[in-house]
Amino acid sequence: NAGVTQTPKFQVLKTGQSMTLQCAQDMNHNSMYWYRQDPGMGLRLIYYSASEGTTDKGEVPNGYNVSRLNKREFSLRLESAAPSQTSVYFCASRITRTNPEAFFGQGTRLTVV
Amino acid sequence: GQQLNQSPQSMFIQEGEDVSMNCTSSSIFNTWLWYKQDPGEGPVLLIALYKAGELTSNGRLTAQFGITRKDSFLNISASIPSDVGIYFCAGQLWNTGNQFYFGTGTSLTVIP
Repeated sequence: NAGVTQTPKFQVLKTGQSMTLQCAQDMNHNSMYWYRQDPGMGLRLIYYSASEGTTDKGEVPNGYNVSRLNKREFSLRLESAAPSQTSVYFCASRITRTNPEAFFGQGTRLTVV
Repeated sequence: GQQLNQSPQSMFIQEGEDVSMNCTSSSIFNTWLWYKQDPGEGPVLLIALYKAGELTSNGRLTAQFGITRKDSFLNISASIPSDVGIYFCAGQLWNTGNQFYFGTGTSLTVIP
């Protein structure tokens, strides 16, 4: 029962370094999402992919890029990390973009120093 | 982005007490959701609400979709220690690519 799997779980980066957060789901869902969670801010949508082959910006896309590699995988890339990107990142998936039930991964805790 | 205001921000209650929390918005939403997040985990969906006035239960949890469509409420009856966590509301707008906007969360602590 893997559901949504995110890697890595923890990461420390230096300012200016790049990295890719990986996300994979095994539920044959069409829609996938990347959120960031900051204290007192709830979850904010960074990018989403309503279906394979499409990606769209969410509320806070600046400083990030995404790739929907195939139906299962949706990666988030930080090209030049900044301290403001220190956060907990969650990947989520839905059967379709209109279905409300989102399944979340366990999160990636990223610290940029 | 959309602002969803949740209150209270945190609650400390005795085991067995009932809990109420709410979520308000300046926008009209078509769907309201309530999620729970345990420490170190991602949020898990508790209840989904689809029309104004709807009242839906899931065990000891009951949620309502406000008549104005700008608010929603979650009640937990007879709280137990495993109710500890952060509760998030989320609202969906049809005209924004079906995005869901999350509230800031209510942190619940249950004292045995």
